[in-house]
Amino acid sequence: QVQLQQWGAGLLKPSETLSLTCAVYGGSFSGYYWSWIRQPPGKGLEWIGEINHSGRTNYNPSLKSRVTLSMDTSKNQFSLNLRSVTAADTALYYCARNPTRGASGWLDYWGQGNLVIVS
Amino acid sequence: QSVLTQPPSASGTPGQRVTISCSGTSSNIGNNYVYWYQRLPGMAPKLLIYKSYQRPSGVPERFSGSQSGASASLAISGLRSEDEAEYYCAAWDDSLTGHVVFGGGTKLTVL
Repeated sequence: QVQLQQWGAGLLKPSETLSLTCAVYGGSFSGYYWSWIRQPPGKGLEWIGEINHSGRTNYNPSLKSRVTLSMDTSKNQFSLNLRSVTAADTALYYCARNPTRGASGWLDYWGQGNLVIVS
Repeated sequence: QSVLTQPPSASGTPGQRVTISCSGTSSNIGNNYVYWYQRLPGMAPKLLIYKSYQRPSGVPERFSGSQSGASASLAISGLRSEDEAEYYCAAWDDSLTGHVVFGGGTKLTVL
């Protein structure tokens, strides 16, 4: 059974960098895209971006200038860095797996979520 | 404002059939599969429908998806109290460099 476990700082000040990491347990790391999604309070889901085991990335155009996704294949982990955060980046952040070779909205396994507050 | 358009709310009584719509454009739903997610309070989203019509293992047959042109729908038949949740549609959008877009979510209330 695939499990995603995520962690990172929960309270940031404006202009700081948000950093979250997601570890994948119980399944292959290669052959998939690994995604980040967020949900601001009272709002809907927003896709942040995805990365595959080769390091190929796709980003949400609205966040692309501030986002960097990376991965550590030796640890089966992938990470999100979001620079210059503001209060608008306050959200519940999720990591998830895309079981295809990208280019789809298919997300079959999700992490537990991390609340990140910028204040 | 979300790229895909969903009604903010829907409701039904136990046993009823409820439909939630998701409207997009030719660059997303009109050219790609649709995915539906259920988000129960305090939980991570759960995949309900993939490739517009398919149900993952473990999802009851009461949940079904359809797609026509640039619109899609999620139908829930035999409504149950545990179906009360937020429902989101998602699709790949081919515009710019390509990215995933979500609907704004529909809060389903079981009366």
